[in-house]
Amino acid sequence: AQSVTQLDSQVPVFEEAPVELRCNYSSSVSVYLFWYVQYPNQGLQLLLKYLSGSTLVKGINGFEAEFNKSQTSFHLRKPSVHISDTAEYFCAVSPLTGGGNKLTFGTGTQLKVEL
Amino acid sequence: DSGVTQTPKHLITATGQRVTLRCSPRSGDLSVYWYQQSLDQGLQFLIQYYNGEERAKGNILERFSAQQFPDLHSELNLSSLELGDSALYFCASRQEGKNSPLHFGNGTRLTVT
Repeated sequence: AQSVTQLDSQVPVFEEAPVELRCNYSSSVSVYLFWYVQYPNQGLQLLLKYLSGSTLVKGINGFEAEFNKSQTSFHLRKPSVHISDTAEYFCAVSPLTGGGNKLTFGTGTQLKVEL
Repeated sequence: DSGVTQTPKHLITATGQRVTLRCSPRSGDLSVYWYQQSLDQGLQFLIQYYNGEERAKGNILERFSAQQFPDLHSELNLSSLELGDSALYFCASRQEGKNSPLHFGNGTRLTVT
């Protein structure tokens, strides 16, 4: 079984400032890691994923995340945010055996970008 | 646009009633997943279908059921509705293959009054 912890339920940040959204996971097996974004009144959209290889993963809209196996973390970062980045962000893990039914989501972090 | 279509967008109904939520997956995706998103429970996996057959069950109540039809669209049936069933219900589809991501529809917002 696996679990995902997103410690920050809300993160306010000013436009053009950097942001980091934290994600820690727990699993007894190796996992794939994902970040999804949910804009208001929309479904979840894949932002980026870590499957293997380089621990720094680049996604859409200028976001990137770094997988840290020793700290079991997969924090999401963006060097300069825009108003349009205001959304809810979900970290998720899935065991290497795959299967969307085994995808476990965190509780989400609401990113609010202010002028 | 994810390519996953859900109807209706909004649904308001009374306790004790039954509703049906519909989902059309992306073209070529054989798997359909249903999720419930509520403020207190977060995003919960309900059930998965693959090419018409039930593949996996998650935290789905006995009052809820689903099916996937030969044309691969899926329906989620919710009966004897309670106030606590008010939530966003998402459908997602994916190609099989352990690396493939889920593609989500925009959801159906169910309000039970």
